[in-house]
Amino acid sequence: GAVVSQHPSWVICKSGTSVKIECRSLDFQATTMFWYRQFPKQSLMLMATSNEGSKATYEQGVEKDKFLINHASLTLSTLTVTSAHPEDSSFYICSASPLRDLPSTDTQYFGPGTRLTVL
Amino acid sequence: GQNIDQPTEMTATEGAIVQINCTYQTSGFNGLFWYQQHAGEAPTFLSYNVLDGLEEKGRFSSFLSRSKGYSYLLLKELQMKDSASYLCAVRDSNQAGTALIFGKGTTLSVSS
Repeated sequence: GAVVSQHPSWVICKSGTSVKIECRSLDFQATTMFWYRQFPKQSLMLMATSNEGSKATYEQGVEKDKFLINHASLTLSTLTVTSAHPEDSSFYICSASPLRDLPSTDTQYFGPGTRLTVL
Repeated sequence: GQNIDQPTEMTATEGAIVQINCTYQTSGFNGLFWYQQHAGEAPTFLSYNVLDGLEEKGRFSSFLSRSKGYSYLLLKELQMKDSASYLCAVRDSNQAGTALIFGKGTTLSVSS
């Protein structure tokens, strides 16, 4: 149990276009989903916390108008990178916390990640 | 501020034991996690400590000292497939929906 999927797994787009990434919890409901970004040989950097039915909370330095987050249901959150530029090329990973705490040892479940390349 | 430190790289040979250290300074503390991440893949959960002491899980063990802000991950009987990045992460609050704060990761290379 506790599977999180992401779609697409990789995407290549032209500069100036927008890209939408989906994060789904497949077998549990998630009140909270997190979006991370990871550059090569760097650690995961939290971008925003997404709560179902409310506005996302963005970390300092992350432009909310550029990275649009929608958490419309308890199983789906989307991240849209608007007007993407080459510097947005990165590995984007989501994670989800269950509605009810599963064994507290692992309350965040990670998706497989989305590799974005902006040309 | 929040700070999590771990070595950038480590090397070891098959069959050996390696210890990856992690020190943290966070505003609060509600658990320390270790994740394994292979290149291009998402992190996978390895261990969790919230109380002082050693947690053993097969070839992997994790230790925590809250008073020292220190943890280590111990990997025994190393295998080539253990070559990966190991991430130390801290949850700084017991509030629901708290994100993890990650260190920069330790890249472990296991050679034969």
